[in-house]
Amino acid sequence: KQEVTQIPAALSVPEGENLVLNCSFTDSAIYNLQWFRQDPGKGLTSLLLIQSSQREQTSGRLNASLDKSSGRSTLYIAASQPGDSATYLCAVQNSGNTPLVFGKGTRLSVIA
Amino acid sequence: DAGITQSPRHKVTETGTPVTLRCHQTENHRYMYWYRQDPGHGLRLIHYSYGVKDTDKGEVSDGYSVSRSKTEDFLLTLESATSSQTSVYFCATRFPGANVLTFGAGSRLTVL
Repeated sequence: KQEVTQIPAALSVPEGENLVLNCSFTDSAIYNLQWFRQDPGKGLTSLLLIQSSQREQTSGRLNASLDKSSGRSTLYIAASQPGDSATYLCAVQNSGNTPLVFGKGTRLSVIA
Repeated sequence: DAGITQSPRHKVTETGTPVTLRCHQTENHRYMYWYRQDPGHGLRLIHYSYGVKDTDKGEVSDGYSVSRSKTEDFLLTLESATSSQTSVYFCATRFPGANVLTFGAGSRLTVL
């Protein structure tokens, strides 16, 4: 059974700092991995999707990397801003037809 | 949240009463999912559907049933609500071959 872990559960950083969020998964035979953002009281918004054949994906100040062999992914946020404050969730899909399995998320606070 | 509507958005009910949550999508996505989100547990899959009248159980399906009589609607029913089913429920959809999951805004259910 696939399990996804995110460490730390919460993180507080000053504005402008570069930061890394971590995600690990137990079964390395994944189809893809996604990073989501969730604002308080809201649904989830997809940020980046990495296919199993890819090593990284970038969108603006966000960069997600994938190391399947070690069962790890990182989400790098450059020059953090208070508007980046949210919960970030990692999710993996084991095949094209199976549902995503989510981690519990990392709650990020960027202090102005 | 564009294209996915969850109703009701908030509901308070009493133990033992039936409850139905509705997810309506205008995206014509084949796959639809119901998740619940609880502190300390993250997002957990309840049931999902891969087409009209085709549904399957997720990891926390006990006490829940679903129905999908047409592409755009996926209903989640609690036959006899219990306090342990107090949670925020999220619907999500996915188009085959497009791996990005799109989420609704959530339905907050409180069972007294």
